[in-house]
Amino acid sequence: TQLLEQSPQFLSIQEGENLTVYCNSSSVFSSLQWYRQEPGEGPVLLVTVVTGGEVKKLKRLTFQFGDARKDSSLHITAAQPGDTGLYLCAGPKAAGNKLTFGGGTRVLVKP
Amino acid sequence: EAGVAQSPRYKIIEKRQSVAFWCNPISGHATLYWYQQILGQGPKLLIQFQNNGVVDDSQLPKDRFSAERLKGVDSTLKIQPAKLEDSAVYLCASSSGEYRGEEQYFGPGTRLTVT
Repeated sequence: TQLLEQSPQFLSIQEGENLTVYCNSSSVFSSLQWYRQEPGEGPVLLVTVVTGGEVKKLKRLTFQFGDARKDSSLHITAAQPGDTGLYLCAGPKAAGNKLTFGGGTRVLVKP
Repeated sequence: EAGVAQSPRYKIIEKRQSVAFWCNPISGHATLYWYQQILGQGPKLLIQFQNNGVVDDSQLPKDRFSAERLKGVDSTLKIQPAKLEDSAVYLCASSSGEYRGEEQYFGPGTRLTVT
């Protein structure tokens, strides 16, 4: 059983459309990270959210951490083909720096 | 600054054969991780090292998987004997090890196909 559930699993949209990816858990996390992974590469960190209710923006990407720190969302405005990839959320487990990852959302932005 | 290096990038073996993967973390990073990423899933932690000591290997199938980090720098992950279900991308990551929830830097991975 994964502690972090991501939805949807796959999203295909046209260039210029908006999309939202969700990351949910029944557990409280001290922080959550969002990574993007492109084919043939390892995940690359996009952002870390720490405070409940926090909103962070990275160009056209908006990340939100739920008030109860159990969920997070990633919203992309006016998606571009360069946004194509696997989006992963991850959070630290109880002790140390071990990360548990969600199953990922595969995003395809068609030109 | 050089990133995390992994080799080989691709490997195809038959079941019951053995295979080894190599990882060179970012210079100065104390913590090193090996993850297994099965197609369509998120990475799953196999083992975590702090310097040359094992912090967590609870999800490492120890009957067939082994890993070492000699001198607290490079690391190798070995599978012997391989099974079909070991087909996956094996990712190595490193971090400074200074605080909880810090960024992990990933290598490009080794794609293993077991036939």
